[in-house]
Amino acid sequence: EVQLVESGGGLLQPGRSLRLSCAASGFTFDRNAMHWVRQVPGKGLEWVSSINWNSGNLEYADSVKGRFTISRDNAKNSLYLQMNSLRVEDTALYYCVKDASYAFDVWGQGTMVTVSS
Amino acid sequence: QSALTQPASVSGSPGQSITISCTGTSSDIGGYNYVSWYQQHPGTPTKFLIYEVSKRPSGVSNRFSGSKSGNTASLTISGLQAEDEADYYCASYTSRNTRIFGGGTKLTVL
Repeated sequence: EVQLVESGGGLLQPGRSLRLSCAASGFTFDRNAMHWVRQVPGKGLEWVSSINWNSGNLEYADSVKGRFTISRDNAKNSLYLQMNSLRVEDTALYYCVKDASYAFDVWGQGTMVTVSS
Repeated sequence: QSALTQPASVSGSPGQSITISCTGTSSDIGGYNYVSWYQQHPGTPTKFLIYEVSKRPSGVSNRFSGSKSGNTASLTISGLQAEDEADYYCASYTSRNTRIFGGGTKLTVL
């Protein structure tokens, strides 16, 4: 079974840093691009970042560019999101998502990040 | 970049067909055949419904179909069922090699 399990979310103050992790299983991880997508509870989906199979192509939404860094460890079947200089508006449920044909075919359950003073 | 434009809500009766539109620009929907659609039920993982405008992943009911004309994509659900009541999102690849979602549409089955 293809599975994505996020971890690392929490409650923290503005300006702090946090690293999210995603453990992948059930598919050949190093053959797929991966994404982070976030969603404020009760609101819509927002694409955050993507990384191709060999980390050679990284992309970011304008809202996080310069503050967030996506990375992966294919040996560990893991995806990461380093979030620095966090803002209140970064509060959301963060999903780890597998790419397939320029779409998002498998989603994790998400990890909640709350930024509040 | 602003979200793709979807109607906030649509509704239909069981057995009917509904269509959800998703409008973008020539830099996203209009420029590429990489439109996809997703279904969200509260508390369950997001479900992948359509990719590359009109292709259905294995296991997705053929009641779900997708199309595109110019800068607007559409998701049609035929033979509406109570279990189809959910939030639906479109997404597209963009000219900046990024992705963009629609604002979401709440489907109510009357």
